[in-house]
Amino acid sequence: GESVGLHLPTLSVQEGDNSIINCAYSNSASDYFIWYKQESGKGPQFIIDIRSNMDKRQGQRVTVLLNKTVKHLSLQIAATQPGDSAVYFCAENQDGGATNKLIFGTGTLLAVQP
Amino acid sequence: DAGVIQSPRHEVTEMGQEVTLRCKPISGHNSLFWYRQTMMRGLELLIYFNNNVPIDDSGMPEDRFSAKMPNASFSTLKIQPSEPRDSAVYFCASSLPLVVGYTFGSGTRLTVV
Repeated sequence: GESVGLHLPTLSVQEGDNSIINCAYSNSASDYFIWYKQESGKGPQFIIDIRSNMDKRQGQRVTVLLNKTVKHLSLQIAATQPGDSAVYFCAENQDGGATNKLIFGTGTLLAVQP
Repeated sequence: DAGVIQSPRHEVTEMGQEVTLRCKPISGHNSLFWYRQTMMRGLELLIYFNNNVPIDDSGMPEDRFSAKMPNASFSTLKIQPSEPRDSAVYFCASSLPLVVGYTFGSGTRLTVV
């Protein structure tokens, strides 16, 4: 069925290294994607979004890349810090903005080693 | 802005009891969402409201679950009767009209024993 999935359930990186978290989506009609960060005991927090008419968007230390050809999304975190340790979710809007409903992927745990 | 406020933060109840979870969305946000998070299924959308009206409840697991939004500043999710498999973290989120990008509350951790 239509779903959002992640390639890597756990990613361990050294402090200061760059992190790349991947996400595959299956619904070609999806045109809006968001990355969320969830720290332990908290709700998911918006990080960055991207629309399907873009292939790259940059924020502060984060970059999201979208490859519509292979239906792949990635989140790059530069100079990873211990505070980046969390579960990261990609989410998609599957109905072209007809609603503001989001479908979430299963999440990737990012563990930053000092 | 106090953000999305959920209560209680933790709830432990016995199987068969009624459970009511509460949510206060951000003022001015007219879309409200209830999600359930488990290790097995991740974040699942249960139901969402626009302007206090339920739009899509296809994610509600079964008739034991019900949600209401009597006004723009309050929503409840009720489970009656509760079962151990309902144990999860329940999140409420809200957003501005037609904005795809929610603000989540801190969640209610429900344990049914």
